[in-house]
Amino acid sequence: EAGVAQSPRYKIIEKRQSVAFWCNPISGHATLYWYQQILGQGPKLLIQFQNNGVVDDSQLPKDRFSAERLKGVDSTLKIQPAKLEDSAVYLCASSLRQGDSEQYFGPGTRLTVT
Amino acid sequence: RKEVEQDPGPFNVPEGATVAFNCTYSNSASQSFFWYRQDCRKEPKLLMSVYSSGNEDGRFTAQLNRASQYISLLIRDSKLSDSATYLCAATGDSNYQLIWGAGTKLIIKP
Repeated sequence: EAGVAQSPRYKIIEKRQSVAFWCNPISGHATLYWYQQILGQGPKLLIQFQNNGVVDDSQLPKDRFSAERLKGVDSTLKIQPAKLEDSAVYLCASSLRQGDSEQYFGPGTRLTVT
Repeated sequence: RKEVEQDPGPFNVPEGATVAFNCTYSNSASQSFFWYRQDCRKEPKLLMSVYSSGNEDGRFTAQLNRASQYISLLIRDSKLSDSATYLCAATGDSNYQLIWGAGTKLIIKP
């Protein structure tokens, strides 16, 4: 079974530039999550989708971050414009169902904002 | 107070020893609990779910104490390969949410 795919794996941009990350979840997984993980911290949920609907985006900085999952499969996360404090690993995860179901993580995108 | 708290460590433990660490949660409504393992510069992977009756998988034992609102992870006969960060997670008010701790770093020394 193929795992969660993410691209790119690494990205370096200057502050105020834009960046987009892509995620392809495990086939059949209805729930998709985007997390931000800063070094030394646990994952912080940015947004959670159930199929193509948003379940929770309470911690998404909506003035600069946006995410979509138009067809209920792939998802993109965009940052525009980026700030220095956005430097982190962006993890995508998927699960069969919400909450009490195992989450499978992709390898992450390591973003450096200079 | 953080919703899910862990001692960041690091725990420096000799190979073959037994090590245990706890994770406290503040929401008494939490229903499901998990331990994930995260290797350096890798993604988290599920180690085990924590059931109310406890859960054992080989050298690993997880337990839930609802009265004191914590979960524990015990590793017996520790191996060098057990060195990693161990993240705990608990469901929130709604069972669809998963709240994560910051992780406990474990270093097994030869």
